[in-house]
Amino acid sequence: DIQMTQSPSLLSASVGDRVTLSCKASQNIYKYLNWYQQKLGEAPKLLIYYTNSLQTGIPSRFSGSGSGTDYTLTISSLQPEDVATYFCQQYNSWYTFGAGTKLELK
Amino acid sequence: EVQILETGGGLVKPGGSLRLSCATSGFNFNDYFMNWVRQAPGKGLEWVAQIRNKNYNYATYYAESLEGRVTISRDDSKSSVYLQVSSLRAEDTAIYYCTKEGPYTPLVYYFDYWGQGVMVTVSS
Repeated sequence: DIQMTQSPSLLSASVGDRVTLSCKASQNIYKYLNWYQQKLGEAPKLLIYYTNSLQTGIPSRFSGSGSGTDYTLTISSLQPEDVATYFCQQYNSWYTFGAGTKLELK
Repeated sequence: EVQILETGGGLVKPGGSLRLSCATSGFNFNDYFMNWVRQAPGKGLEWVAQIRNKNYNYATYYAESLEGRVTISRDDSKSSVYLQVSSLRAEDTAIYYCTKEGPYTPLVYYFDYWGQGVMVTVSS
């Protein structure tokens, strides 16, 4: 199984900050990587697919990058509504998710 | 508007079984793969099962950790998908989400719509 490790597990940032969340795969996943946002009490929502493709309707302050085993989700200017837990998901070999990064306001 | 609604959750005794249902609307159900994903309380997400569409002979796939205890099925006439879970254990306690897979595109797979989830609690 491919293991996905997200860091940090908890991130505190201020409104307007540039925020970077990391996701590391246990082996090369060839950019087969998605990002989801889950707000408290809600279902996850797709943000980014195939490493850097923005899902329809998602604000352009969200972006993704990476290759090989290392991937990043960046929020260019943090907004209050971005408080959530963010999960990465690999689909090189079925589907596994990271444990999540909880993003809170400082 | 895509809508996904799971039902059938509840409290089940260890060793029992449960059938979850997922009713969908707002898209051509026949064209899409469907999945179940679960989330234990306060934990991360775990893919459970996938069922493909008629073009792929309704092929089914399961997470290794659950294989043998879960069965996914679909009824295209009802735009619905189901998950049968048996020999339930405390560690199966979770919110179970029904998810629609995105349009089939080589190299690009993702879950673009999720239901609100249904809680399954396994306890004596």
